[in-house]
Amino acid sequence: EAEVAQSPRYKITEKSQAVAFWCDPISGHATLYWYRQILGQGPELLVQFQDESVVDDSQLPKDRFSAERLKGVDSTLKIQPAELGDSAMYLCASSLGSGGREAFFGQGTRLTVV
Amino acid sequence: GEDVEQSLFLSVREGDSSVINCTYTDSSSTYLYWYKQEPGAGLQLLTYIFSNMDMKQDQRLTVLLNKKDKHLSLRIADTQTGDSAIYFCAETARSNYQLIWGAGTKLIIKP
Repeated sequence: EAEVAQSPRYKITEKSQAVAFWCDPISGHATLYWYRQILGQGPELLVQFQDESVVDDSQLPKDRFSAERLKGVDSTLKIQPAELGDSAMYLCASSLGSGGREAFFGQGTRLTVV
Repeated sequence: GEDVEQSLFLSVREGDSSVINCTYTDSSSTYLYWYKQEPGAGLQLLTYIFSNMDMKQDQRLTVLLNKKDKHLSLRIADTQTGDSAIYFCAETARSNYQLIWGAGTKLIIKP
C-alpha cells in the first residue's frame, strides 16, 4: 500500500541549531502539505504545495522556516534557528488534488528542541 | 472564520458503542472527515462524507451528518481496546479547500 514517507521519525536538536525534515508523498499526488501539531491540539497547516508551487504559506513563520518542493515530488521543511517553542510533531500529507479530499498523512517527525 | 469543535474526551466500556461528536461552522463545506491518531503516530483517514449525504456506513463505523445543525458524528460499534486513540473531525473550507481541524477527542476504553 502506498504511503507518505517522512524522515527522521524523531529529532532532538539544541536551540539555535538548524534542522530539516524530509517528506516523500504518495506517487502521483500533486498536493503536498506540511502541518505542525502541538501536543493536545489539532494540526496547523504550515505550507501547501501544488506540484512545485506554494499555494499557501500564510501560517509559515518565514523568518525561520522554509519549505521547498523543487521537482514537485519530495519536499523539505527547514527550521533555522530552532527555538524551544518549535518542539512539536511535524506532519506531511499528500492528496491527488487541491480540493482537500482524502489527504494521506505520514508518520510524522517528532521534534524536541532543548 | 471557520471553526470545528469537539469534546476533548470520551470514555466508554469495551464492547459498547462510542459516539464522537463534532460541530462546524462552514455551511458550505464540501467534505467532512474523521481521522484517527494513535500515540506518537500520524493521522489515519478513517472515513469521510460528502456534504450531500446524511449517513455513511463502513463496517463498524457509521457517520451521521446533520447539515441543518452543522453536526457530524462518528459511531464506532463494539468498541475494542485497539480503538483507543484521538479522533479528529475536519472539514474542507469552501473558500480555499483547506482542511479545518477540531482539537481531537481522546477515546478511552474501560475494560
